[in-house]
Amino acid sequence: AQSVAQPEDQVNVAEGNPLTVKCTYSVSGNPYLFWYVQYPNRGLQFLLKYITGDNLVKGSYGFEAEFNKSQTSFHLKKPSALVSDSALYFCAVRDIGGNMLTFGGGTRLMVKP
Amino acid sequence: DAGITQSPRHKVTETGTPVTLRCHQTENHRYMYWYRQDPGHGLRLIHYSYGVKDTDKGEVSDGYSVSRSKTEDFLLTLESATSSQTSVYFCAISARDTIYEQYFGPGTRLTVT
Repeated sequence: AQSVAQPEDQVNVAEGNPLTVKCTYSVSGNPYLFWYVQYPNRGLQFLLKYITGDNLVKGSYGFEAEFNKSQTSFHLKKPSALVSDSALYFCAVRDIGGNMLTFGGGTRLMVKP
Repeated sequence: DAGITQSPRHKVTETGTPVTLRCHQTENHRYMYWYRQDPGHGLRLIHYSYGVKDTDKGEVSDGYSVSRSKTEDFLLTLESATSSQTSVYFCAISARDTIYEQYFGPGTRLTVT
């Protein structure tokens, strides 16, 4: 069975500093990996995905994520955090040939001015 | 929210009563999904549909049924609501299967008393 772990319930960072939100996964084969963001009282919004190819994936709002197969990780990063980045972030995985997306428990990002 | 509406947006109901939630899309996407969101659990898939009258179970399908008689509508029914079904329910759509990003509706907050 596939699974996703987001080890930090909350990440605090000062505005202008780099941010990292961690995600590790477990699948039986090669993964498809996704990051979504949720603002208060809203549905999830797609940020970026890794399907194949370059391990560094760039997405919306200046976010990027690095796929590391040996560490089974897909950490979300941004070089300079904004207060408006404060939200709930979800990592998700699907294995090739599967038909369900499995989400992590979410990480709340708090960016302080 | 990408041409997806959910109704109702909020509902309070009593234990044992039937409840139907509606998801409507204007994107003509083939795939539709129902998730529930609970603290600490991220999103968990309840049921999904890959076409009109084609549906399948997700991770937490017990106590739920779905129907899709038209491409644009996907209904989630709780035959006899229980307090454990108090949650926020999200509908999502994707043009193809889960290799493609999903677009989420605004959610329905359901409280079962």
